[in-house]
Amino acid sequence: AQTVTQSQPEMSVQEAETVTLSCTYDTSESNYYLFWYKQPPSRQMILVIRQEAYKQQNATENRFSVNFQKAAKSFSLKISDSQLGDTAMYFCAFIFSGAGSYQLTFGKGTKLSVIP
Amino acid sequence: DGGITQSPKYLFRKEGQNVTLSCEQNLNHDAMYWYRQDPGQGLRLIYYSQIVNDFQKGDIAEGYSVSREKKESFPLTVTSAQKNPTAFYLCASKVTPYSNQPQHFGDGTRLSIL
Repeated sequence: AQTVTQSQPEMSVQEAETVTLSCTYDTSESNYYLFWYKQPPSRQMILVIRQEAYKQQNATENRFSVNFQKAAKSFSLKISDSQLGDTAMYFCAFIFSGAGSYQLTFGKGTKLSVIP
Repeated sequence: DGGITQSPKYLFRKEGQNVTLSCEQNLNHDAMYWYRQDPGQGLRLIYYSQIVNDFQKGDIAEGYSVSREKKESFPLTVTSAQKNPTAFYLCASKVTPYSNQPQHFGDGTRLSIL
């Protein structure tokens, strides 16, 4: 079974500062994708960033970037220049094609608060 | 605009009652999913459907039922057999089931017990 672990239930960061959210996963697969989803207080799940396991280059989307360490099975999210609108739950998720599954496995989430 | 519509936003269930949560998408996606979200638990898969008239159990299907009679619709029924139904329910869809593309999510339905 695939597992995704987010070891930080809650974090806080000052506005305009940088914060890193941790995610580790366990799999024997070699071909998979990783995602970070954001869930603001409105509860809608929004895709923040995605990373293909076969790509060595870390994905970047504006102020959001990842540090993908395949050997260590680590997939952390860095948020630069934090804004009040970044306050949300953040979920790390994993998908692979083993046994025709293609199902998303989610971590339990990290609650991020951006402090003015 | 294309998207996923879940209704109602809030729903209350009496003891012994079945309730149905609606999920409609106009994205022309083949695959649809239902998740349950509890505090501190992340999202857990209840049921999913890869194509019309077909659906599969997820990790926590007991006490739930679904149907997929139309491509755009995937309603979830929470039966009286589900003893702890209070949770936030999210519906999602994906272009095809056999891809690593991200899922699109609706805004969710919060179900509470009266």
